[in-house]
Parts: sequence; structure tokens; C-alpha cells
Amino acid sequence: GIQVEQSPPDLILQEGANSTLRCNFSDSVNNLQWFHQNPWGQLINLFYIPSGTKQNGRLSATTVATERYSLLYISSSQTTDSGVYFCAVGVTGNQFYFGTGTSLTVIP
Amino acid sequence: DGGITQSPKYLFRKEGQNVTLSCEQNLNHDAMYWYRQDPGQGLRLIYYSQIVNDFQKGDIAEGYSVSREKKESFPLTVTSAQKNPTAFYLCASSIGALNEKLFFGSGTQLSVL
Repeated sequence: GIQVEQSPPDLILQEGANSTLRCNFSDSVNNLQWFHQNPWGQLINLFYIPSGTKQNGRLSATTVATERYSLLYISSSQTTDSGVYFCAVGVTGNQFYFGTGTSLTVIP
Repeated sequence: DGGITQSPKYLFRKEGQNVTLSCEQNLNHDAMYWYRQDPGQGLRLIYYSQIVNDFQKGDIAEGYSVSREKKESFPLTVTSAQKNPTAFYLCASSIGALNEKLFFGSGTQLSVL
């Protein structure tokens, strides 16, 4: 299967700071999703972004499929942004493969 | 509200026992999935189903079984053959094909007594 690497593995931010999370993948993909897992385990789909750039409030994501990476930007971070961020990549007709995540802690 | 309901939230298994995790969705999605998450790890696919009465093995299906008798329901049984069942189990669904947007339930934490 496709290898998915996320960086950094851990991140601690002061409230109000900005951050960039990265997802690299080893092969061509047709689809990519970003998820946030809250401290209670719930996974929320943030972006479905096979290519290009999307924005949703303080979050935005960019996928450059030809260079095999995606970036998740978090601006003006809040304590509620804490949790683990996963990217998952997939090829048409095949399953999604998940990275091991970036654990984010936002301190007040 | 539409969504995916998993129960129970916490489950304990004794040695040699089979246990069943429930997953129900009212999103009218065709495809449903079961993932396993171990501490500090990403999610790994156990089984998936794209239509009623049909399901396929994922990467780590050994020691697990599923059924899909109704569109809304996709229960997972952790059998006694699964020697390391302690994990967080997540059920997901998508509208149709494997590669579409995934929606997740809130998970079941399974522990061995």
C-alpha cells in the first residue's frame, strides 16, 4: 500500500499562533482527506481535497498531487483545536490509507 | 440528526469470548467500514461493505467477522481468534464508492479483562 508520513508528530502552540501540518505520500493518489480527532476520539472530516486549495474559517488546506504532499494550515489557534490531525490518501476504487497523525496541543 | 451511532462506548472481553460492536447509520450511505486504531497509530481497515449482503476484507481482517443484512447496519464481531483485541474501533460510512468522503462514528474502546 501507499506510505503516508505526517510531520511534525507532535506540536505545542500558544493560543493565537499559526501552524502548518504536512502530509507526504509515496505514490500518486486520486483523493486526500484531512481529519481532526478530538480528545474523546471523534473523527471529524475537515477537508476532502484531492488537489488545489480549500478554506474553511481559520483552517485551509492545499494539496499538490504532482509533488505528493498536502498541507493543513491552522491560523489563530484555539484550545479547541487540540487533538490529533490525520491525513488519509486513496486511489480510485481502493481504500484510504492513513498517516500516523500530528498531535496538536494548544495552551492558553 | 443524521449520523453514525456506535455502541457500546466501552466494552470488555474475557478470554475466549466473542464480542460484537454495533454500528448504525441513518445517512443513507451505501458503503460502510470498520477501522482499528492503536495508541499513537493511524487507522487500519478491518472490513468494508459497499452494498447489502456483500463485504470485503481489509488489511487486518484476521480474527474479525462482519455482516451486512441491512443498509443501515454493519456489526463487527471480535472473535476469540483475535489475540490482541485491545484497541479503539471506529465505524465509518461514505455515500458510495471506496474513495469518497468518510464520516465516522464516535468509536468503541475494547479492552481485555
